[in-house]
Amino acid sequence: DAGVIQSPRHEVTEMGQEVTLRCKPISGHNSLFWYRQTMMRGLELLIYFNNNVPIDDSGMPEDRFSAKMPNASFSTLKIQPSEPRDSAVYFCASSSRGGGEQYFGPGTRLTVT
Amino acid sequence: AQRVTQPEKLLSVFKGAPVELKCNYSYSGSPELFWYVQYSRQRLQLLLRHISRESIKGFTADLNKGETSFHLKKPFAQEEDSAMYYCALRGQGAQKLVFGQGTRLTINP
Repeated sequence: DAGVIQSPRHEVTEMGQEVTLRCKPISGHNSLFWYRQTMMRGLELLIYFNNNVPIDDSGMPEDRFSAKMPNASFSTLKIQPSEPRDSAVYFCASSSRGGGEQYFGPGTRLTVT
Repeated sequence: AQRVTQPEKLLSVFKGAPVELKCNYSYSGSPELFWYVQYSRQRLQLLLRHISRESIKGFTADLNKGETSFHLKKPFAQEEDSAMYYCALRGQGAQKLVFGQGTRLTINP
């Protein structure tokens, strides 16, 4: 298994543009997590899904952020419109069961100019 | 509220010296504590968890409920230990992890 797959690995966009980050969890895992990593705040959970259903989105910063999981093998995190303060590394992680070890993807480095 | 505090953003020690990365937490129940590590150009990965009570790559961490701490220790640091280390907490019956801000450890030759 290639592990958790994220695309793109790097994204540079201008303020106001829409950004979509993609994640493919490990096959058979039924929990998926989106995190944001910044120098100031470290690693923050944005949202997580169980069996494709959003369970906790309390970490989503504001309405500009949205996440979907249309099926067990794909999730997206969308920012519309993007702002410079959204610049960060966004990680996706998956686990096989509630309370199981989380396996992280390589991350997407987002730069909003 | 659940909170994890790693007071040192940067820590630098010499090869062969002991290393201790501090982690304090705030949680009213019985938490699960973890240490995650991110080596340069690699993914974030689990290093160890308190319930395993094991030593991984020479690192150990003991949960001290009285001091609400879960410090990571290694008696003799190696250059390959240079990485970003995150302490994380999971509440009872919960799925989500709460991470500290991370400590960047640099081992000098």
